[in-house]
Amino acid sequence: GDSVTQMEGPVTLSEEAFLTINCTYTATGYPSLFWYVQYPGEGLQLLLKATKADDKGSNKGFEATYRKETTSFHLEKGSVQVSDSAVYFCALSTGNQFYFGTGTSLTVIP
Amino acid sequence: NAGVTQTPKFQVLKTGQSMTLQCAQDMNHEYMSWYRQDPGMGLRLIHYSVGAGITDQGEVPNGYNVSRSTTEDFPLRLLSAAPSQTSVYFCASSKRTGGGNEKLFFGSGTQLSVL
Repeated sequence: GDSVTQMEGPVTLSEEAFLTINCTYTATGYPSLFWYVQYPGEGLQLLLKATKADDKGSNKGFEATYRKETTSFHLEKGSVQVSDSAVYFCALSTGNQFYFGTGTSLTVIP
Repeated sequence: NAGVTQTPKFQVLKTGQSMTLQCAQDMNHEYMSWYRQDPGMGLRLIHYSVGAGITDQGEVPNGYNVSRSTTEDFPLRLLSAAPSQTSVYFCASSKRTGGGNEKLFFGSGTQLSVL
């Protein structure tokens, strides 16, 4: 069945460091891919998305490219800030269901 | 604009009790869903609905019941609470286009403890 595998955390980085969070997926058909972010005590919010192969989603300095050949959608940011500390979820959608990864906790220290 | 509203925010139940978690959205979204979030397991889909009168099971439906009598509301019922249902519950909705879903809008969650 459809699924998402996400790198485990927690991840701790210094401010201005480069961030990569790996995400790979298994899906029948042609899924849409998403990154959601969850701040403490809140629900998830969409960070970025891509709907077809080779699409790049971007928002707030974060980027991810839909790679069909490697079934991946890795999240990157060139220079993280303390305010980026949160839990990040990779997700895919095919038709009626969304499938989420287990989440990666990121802590950015000054 | 309210978005997705969940109530209550916190609830403590005793084993065997029943209760209903409320979810309402004011965005006229066709798609609504319930997830539970457990440490190390991410979000798992309990039930979902693609429109009023239509519901279907997700990955972990046992012990939960849903109905969708209006577009706005999608309550989740725990029939006989068990400690294994201790979790954080999120309701989410989405606009549907071309048979698929656009992004999910999440409520702020309900933290449920079953003793």
